Parts: sequence; structure tokens; C-alpha cells
Amino acid sequence: IAGITQAPTSQILAAGRRMTLRCTQDMRHNAMYWYRQDLGLGLRLIHYSNTAGTTGKGEVPDGYSVSRANTDDFPLTLASAVPSQTSVYFCASSDNHQGRAFFGQGTRLTVV
Amino acid sequence: GQSLEQPSEVTAVEGAIVQINCTYQTSGFYGLSWYQQHDGGAPTFLSYNALDGLEETGRFSSFLSRSDSYGYLLLQELQMKDSASYFCAVRDRGGNQGGKLIFGQGTELSVKP
Repeated sequence: IAGITQAPTSQILAAGRRMTLRCTQDMRHNAMYWYRQDLGLGLRLIHYSNTAGTTGKGEVPDGYSVSRANTDDFPLTLASAVPSQTSVYFCASSDNHQGRAFFGQGTRLTVV
Repeated sequence: GQSLEQPSEVTAVEGAIVQINCTYQTSGFYGLSWYQQHDGGAPTFLSYNALDGLEETGRFSSFLSRSDSYGYLLLQELQMKDSASYFCAVRDRGGNQGGKLIFGQGTELSVKP
């Protein structure tokens, strides 16, 4: 089934640890995005990529890094997790010039 | 930069019509899109306006006026299952920061019997 997959679905992480959230899509979309969602704050863009090999900073990039080695994968890395990074993380993809984005099922991350 | 403003909450009764407004500030964008999110779920696409005017998809319609920097989502014949959060979003057109897909903070719709 075509779509976008995130892993893991949930994780409890000790502060200071490194963590990579995985995101894979099979729709051959050029654009991919990472968001965090916190109660009352909507979806805030962390990083994005317009095409393989390029990335850009979103609204809240500090403490996160991304890479886009190919079209399908867009991992998000927390180099040294802090409790304020406790959130629900969503990955999404879209064709560059279309308004429709597809979302993964989300990763619920708790940093303790 | 870009910013989008939406009401935080809207309440309506089953069978009614409700309009959720979205005003935005952006230097250039491809269009305005709308997403629905139920508690615990992922956002799902509802509607997209590339051009000014009204787009209709079943019970949902969306409107865009670029000259007024304004759009809205119209939900007709409200059902209990429409209780959810609704987000407007724009995708930046270009420049060295082009490509961002930015969301408003969302409107929580409560449908009452």
C-alpha cells in the first residue's frame, strides 16, 4: 500500500541520548517535512527537503538534524535529547507544486 | 516569514453549517490547503485552493481570496464525526527558504447533538 511510514511509533528516551526517527515514503514525492506537535501549538515545522540532496530549516530546527540521501527516506536525528523535545513527531511528503501532503502515523517521543 | 491565524475553537450543532477562517501573511505561496486531525491521529488532507474562489468536495468547501490574504473552510450538514481539529496551511513559493509547508495553530471544532 502506497504511503508514508514512520518508526518507531513510540519511544521513551533518556535525556542526553541520541535518537533517529525514521521516515520512508513510496510515492516518489520530491518534498518531505518533519513536524512536532505539542498541545495548543499546532504543527511546527522542524526541517524540510525539497528534493534529494537538499534540506532546509523550518520554524524550530534547534537540536535536530536531517539528511536526504535519496527520494524515499528522510530521517530526523536528535543528537542529545532534552525533555523539551518530548512531543509527537510527524513526517509528511508532497509533490512540490501540489497542495496535498500525506502524513505518517506519528512518533510519540518522551524524553525523561 | 509566513504566519497563519485561525480561531482556536468553534462549536456548532449537528446538521448545521460552520465556517473556519484562516488569514495569512506570506510573500508568496502556491495555494492554501486544509487538513483534518482527530485526537490521536495524523492530519489528513481535505481541500486545496490553488486559485481564488470556491472548491467543493462533498460536504466540505474551501475558499481563497489572495487579494484579501484570507481563506475559509466550510463544513455543511455537520456530523458528530466532524468533531476534530482543522488546520490551514500554505507552501512557500520560492526564494532561498522556499518549500516550507507552514500550518496554522488549528481550530478545534466541537459538534454537539
